[in-house]
Amino acid sequence: DIQMTQSPASLSASLGETVTIECRASEDIYNGLAWYQQKPGKSPQLLIYNANSLHTGVPSRFSGSGSGTQYSLKINSLQSEDVASYFCQQYYDYPTFGGGTKLELK
Amino acid sequence: QVQLKESGPGLVQPSETLSLTCTVSGFSLTSYGVNWVRQPPGKGLEWMGTIWNDGSTDYNSALKSRLSISRDTSKSQVFLKMNSLQTEDTAIYLCARERPAGSGWYFDFWGPGTMVTVSS
Repeated sequence: DIQMTQSPASLSASLGETVTIECRASEDIYNGLAWYQQKPGKSPQLLIYNANSLHTGVPSRFSGSGSGTQYSLKINSLQSEDVASYFCQQYYDYPTFGGGTKLELK
Repeated sequence: QVQLKESGPGLVQPSETLSLTCTVSGFSLTSYGVNWVRQPPGKGLEWMGTIWNDGSTDYNSALKSRLSISRDTSKSQVFLKMNSLQTEDTAIYLCARERPAGSGWYFDFWGPGTMVTVSS
């Protein structure tokens, strides 16, 4: 199985700030990476697929980048509605997820 | 619009079998696969298995011996059965529609999830 290591586990940021979350794969996943947002008590929502493609309806302040084993999700100009947990998922092999990042407001 | 909704018992006895149903609308099970994913309280996500649009299945190797996924296309329903439940199987169980991409797939729509507690 491909292991996904996500960092940080938790993050506190101010409104308007830029936030970056990282995911490292145990082997090259050739951009087979998705990012999800999960608000408390809700199911995950797709944000990014193919490492850098924005899913329909997702605000443009979200962006994804990376290659090989290293990937990142960036949120520009943090809004209050972005408070959530974020998960990465690789799909080069059978799906596996990162441990998640809990984003809170400072 | 695309919707998925899980249903099933909230409480299961240890060593018993879990049966869950995912009812979908807004798409056909013969066009898209449906996956089961679970999330223990306060923890991360674990892919359990998928039933593809052609009816074939793939399972997480860690659960394969206990897990079965099937479907009824006429009712737009996907079923999960997992036997020999233990307390560590306590989790929110979610179904999600798959989108193929390259050699794998990601999940573009999810159900709200159903909480399953394994306890006597």
